[in-house]
Amino acid sequence: AQTVTQSQPEMSVQEAETVTLSCTYDTSENNYYLFWYKQPPSRQMILVIRQEAYKQQNATENRFSVNFQKAAKSFSLKISDSQLGDTAMYFCAFMTPGDNNDMRFGAGTRLTVKP
Amino acid sequence: DTGVSQDPRHKITKRGQNVTFRCDPISEHNRLYWYRQTLGQGPEFLTYFQNEAQLEKSRLLSDRFSAERPKGSFSTLEIQRTEQGDSAMYLCASSLVAGGPTDTQYFGPGTRLTVL
Repeated sequence: AQTVTQSQPEMSVQEAETVTLSCTYDTSENNYYLFWYKQPPSRQMILVIRQEAYKQQNATENRFSVNFQKAAKSFSLKISDSQLGDTAMYFCAFMTPGDNNDMRFGAGTRLTVKP
Repeated sequence: DTGVSQDPRHKITKRGQNVTFRCDPISEHNRLYWYRQTLGQGPEFLTYFQNEAQLEKSRLLSDRFSAERPKGSFSTLEIQRTEQGDSAMYLCASSLVAGGPTDTQYFGPGTRLTVL
């Protein structure tokens, strides 16, 4: 079974500093996608960044970047220059393409950016 | 706004009542997904549609749950004889699959169900 583990239930960071959120997953598949979603308080979930497993280069989106370690099955999210608006729940998610398209989510990490 | 919309945003019902939720996906998205999210957890997959066809159901989707997407556009999720354990946020997501690696799912704001 494919599982996603986020071992940090809560984290905090000072504004303008850098924080890294951890995610590990378990799969026997070779082709898959990984995602980080952000869910602000009382607001809808939005995509932060995605990574295709066949790509060796780590994905980046402005202040957000990932460290994808395929052999270790690790997919961490780094947020640089943290802003107050980054305060949210962050979910790591895993999906295999094809007919079976259910996305598996971790339990989430609650990130608080402190002024 | 051309994002995924869901209605209602909140629903309070008494145990044993039936409820129906609606999801309007992003226009031209051919896949539509339903998830359930309980407090402090990540979303759990319930079911998904490719156009109007329901292609997969999770074991979480008991016989009391039914979903439809009659014309391949909006979808409804109905829960019959609600139980207190059904209290959760029900999320809808849509995506466009066009033969390439583009299956990023975009989520709606969710419907929060409270069963008393």
